[in-house]
Amino acid sequence: EVQLLESGGGLVQPGGSLTLSCAASGFTFSNYAMAWVRQAPGKGLEWVSIKSGRDVTTKYADSVKGRFTISRDNSKNTLYLQMNSLRAEDTAIYYCAKLEPQCLGAFDVWGLGTMVTVSS
Amino acid sequence: IQLTQSPSSLSASVGDRVTITCRASQGISSYLAWYQQKPGRAPKLLIFAASTLQSGVPSRFSGSGSGTEFTLTIRSLQPEDFATYYCQQLKSYPLTFGGGTKVEI
Repeated sequence: EVQLLESGGGLVQPGGSLTLSCAASGFTFSNYAMAWVRQAPGKGLEWVSIKSGRDVTTKYADSVKGRFTISRDNSKNTLYLQMNSLRAEDTAIYYCAKLEPQCLGAFDVWGLGTMVTVSS
Repeated sequence: IQLTQSPSSLSASVGDRVTITCRASQGISSYLAWYQQKPGRAPKLLIFAASTLQSGVPSRFSGSGSGTEFTLTIRSLQPEDFATYYCQQLKSYPLTFGGGTKVEI
């Protein structure tokens, strides 16, 4: 069964840092681009970042560029999101998602999400 | 690329036909996906390439459109379809989502 499981969320002070992880199973992780998507409480979905399977392509939303870093370890089937200089507006559930090329890059598998709260 | 969904919410009854519209600020060909999200759950892919039903999704869901105007139609609303629906463009970065349409009883 294809699964994604996020971890690493929690409460952090403004200006602080946090690293999220997404453990993948049930598919050949290195063959697929992966993304992070977040959802602030009561709000809609916001794409955050994407990393191609072979680490060639990396993209960020303007709202996190320069503060967040996406990375992956294909030997561990794990995607990461290093978040620095966190702000209150970064408070959200963070989902990792798998991109499916046969779906024109749509996100066909999602994790359960991990909550990040930025507050003093 | 901005995506504008309408309506932002709607009330419907079981058995109703429901149509949600998603307009793109520039042409995106068929690079559009639709997702369903229930409270406390992760989004679920319903439709990709504007009109292709994802495996396992009931046939009462359908998508249409290309370029800048797209629709998601639920032919006969079922109790389990009450949720929020999002469109997403996959044509260019940033990969934007629409604001969502909440379908309520």
